Amino acid sequence: GESVGLHLPTLSVQEGDNSIINCAYSNSASDYFIWYKQESGKGPQFIIDIRSNMDKRQGQRVTVLLNKTVKHLSLQIAATQPGDSAVYFCAENIPSNDYKLSFGAGTTVTVRA
Amino acid sequence: DTGVSQDPRHKITKRGQNVTFRCDPISEHNRLYWYRQTLGQGPEFLTYFQNEAQLEKSRLLSDRFSAERPKGSFSTLEIQRTEQGDSAMYLCASSLDLAGGPDIQYFGAGTRLSVL
Repeated sequence: GESVGLHLPTLSVQEGDNSIINCAYSNSASDYFIWYKQESGKGPQFIIDIRSNMDKRQGQRVTVLLNKTVKHLSLQIAATQPGDSAVYFCAENIPSNDYKLSFGAGTTVTVRA
Repeated sequence: DTGVSQDPRHKITKRGQNVTFRCDPISEHNRLYWYRQTLGQGPEFLTYFQNEAQLEKSRLLSDRFSAERPKGSFSTLEIQRTEQGDSAMYLCASSLDLAGGPDIQYFGAGTRLSVL
């Protein structure tokens, strides 16, 4: 399953398939990006981060890709599991804004059994 | 549990009352942040501390809001004369500044405020 375009608020994916969540960020000066997962009633949980001097970073079952040319960030989740159902947020840090993060509106991922 | 702890988890209050929330960051984290999240939206930055110094406040933080971190450890966020528009989830995060620059912010479970 894949969310395309600037932002799709929902993504439905079959269990076992790969998921791709896309994010368009706002500021070309942003130097740090981070993905969070938020389950209902809980705070955002760190998934993976990437700095602007990198194009790709891999974690456990997750990969983040950064395309600075088009200001696009994506999160790929391999072999999606029911426990991956949540809202996923990308966030950016703009150096002129100190260390605060600016969050997107989020993508709700639903995993179908 | 060594994560970020917030108290209370839920708060229901009447309009015009004052409320105070507490955040205990991860031990040794020198940066502490407050965010506000409304339904269906991402968190919005309110303010942050480097140790005990409050370094930045968002325009969202009206004069009814005040935050403190007196000893550079736990922090409190107080809202005076609450309004219905203050109803939201208030999130606290902390991070460890190792070499300057942005770093991973770890979030607590939040305090959900409902103003009646």
